Amino acid sequence: QTVVTQEPSLTVSPGGTVTLTCASSAGAVTSGHYPNWFQQKPGQAPRALIYSTSSKHSWTPARFSGSLLGGKAALTLSGVQPEDEAEYHCMVYYGFFWVFGGGTKLTVL
Amino acid sequence: EVQLVESGGGLVEPGGSLRLSCAASGFTFSTYTMKWVRQAPGKGLEWVSYITSSSTTIYYADSVKGRFTVSRDNAKNSLYLQMNSLRDEDTAVYYCARYLVVAGGPDYWGQGTLVTVSS
Repeated sequence: QTVVTQEPSLTVSPGGTVTLTCASSAGAVTSGHYPNWFQQKPGQAPRALIYSTSSKHSWTPARFSGSLLGGKAALTLSGVQPEDEAEYHCMVYYGFFWVFGGGTKLTVL
Repeated sequence: EVQLVESGGGLVEPGGSLRLSCAASGFTFSTYTMKWVRQAPGKGLEWVSYITSSSTTIYYADSVKGRFTVSRDNAKNSLYLQMNSLRDEDTAVYYCARYLVVAGGPDYWGQGTLVTVSS
């Protein structure tokens, strides 16, 4: 069973930069796994942010960027805003199934 | 505007059945692959099922295989999830989501419907 791991929680100051990562027990995450990132605020449905490693949806703020770092998928927030406080989920594609990470709770403080 | 509205959730006893629906609007439903994703209370997201636009390809997570059946009615712009032999661990908010093949993931999500399995 493939397990995808994210940092359980991170804290960042307003205006700062933070990187969230997404690692797989099956080995390095690559572009072929089409890593996706989603933002979820309490009581709300997830909202898609990043797809195919680094592509942004039309509504994704410019301060969000995706990449691959050291065999992991990564989501970087630059110039963090208070409204970025949320849970962030990554999702990795394995051909016939998809695996979500456990989520990272990002606190802006 | 793309809209996905789930319905059909509720309280059901272990071993029971429930059918969820997802009404789609604002896009050409018949041309999109769709997914169901669930989230247990206080937990992360879990992919449940995947169905292509013409229902020719269907996948299920191992945790629901043999118990859940996904289907769609393109004439009614609707997606369904028939859930049988429900277990306590199926308790979750169930989301339907539009899947973008180029993205390898969903772009639009519904607001979710809560399924509670309890005696």
